[in-house]
Amino acid sequence: DVKVTQSSRYLVKRTGEKVFLECVQDMDHENMFWYRQDPGLGLRLIYFSYDVKMKEKGDIPEGYSVSREKKERFSLILESASTNQTSMYLCASSNINRDYGYTFGSGTRLTVV
Amino acid sequence: QKEVEQNSGPLSVPEGAIASLNCTYSDRGSQSFFWYRQYSGKSPELIMSIYSNGDKEDGRFTAQLNKASQYVSLLIRDSQPSDSATYLCAVIVSSNTGKLIFGQGTTLQVKP
Repeated sequence: DVKVTQSSRYLVKRTGEKVFLECVQDMDHENMFWYRQDPGLGLRLIYFSYDVKMKEKGDIPEGYSVSREKKERFSLILESASTNQTSMYLCASSNINRDYGYTFGSGTRLTVV
Repeated sequence: QKEVEQNSGPLSVPEGAIASLNCTYSDRGSQSFFWYRQYSGKSPELIMSIYSNGDKEDGRFTAQLNKASQYVSLLIRDSQPSDSATYLCAVIVSSNTGKLIFGQGTTLQVKP
């Protein structure tokens, strides 16, 4: 069964900490995405990558960076965590064939205190 | 700004009824459309995709697409309490990157 695996299900961090969220997919997908989901705001795209070492900003990239050194791994970095980054973070991957939608990971619920 | 619009609901239907979920999109050039189901506290799960005008059926689910009206819908026949979830409509806005734009989602409640 194909999978997108996020390293942590729940995470609690302190304000100002540098936070790493890891995502790994085993489907050889070209595209990978990071979203955050908040009540009333829906899914908002933070960053995406369509190839190794390639990245593009989504709708809300401020305060975040990403890294994709290998095809299967896409990391989201919160440079200095703030309380307004408390959210559910969802990683997804897809291939370039339009017949496939995203496959999502199980999500990381991050709380910044 | 390319948009995908859904009624947030909640949409409440009795068990066994047909649930009809609707979605409109603003980019006339969109080619690929998806429906995701998301249970509370869980991540979205792909349930249907549709690319051509008309209907596409998969079990109790039917997706309908009308590109002229920029409208896509999801019908759930014989609704079950286990269908109670939020349904997200999504549209590909870039065929090069496969980037999806999501609607806000419609919450469906199926009452026994």
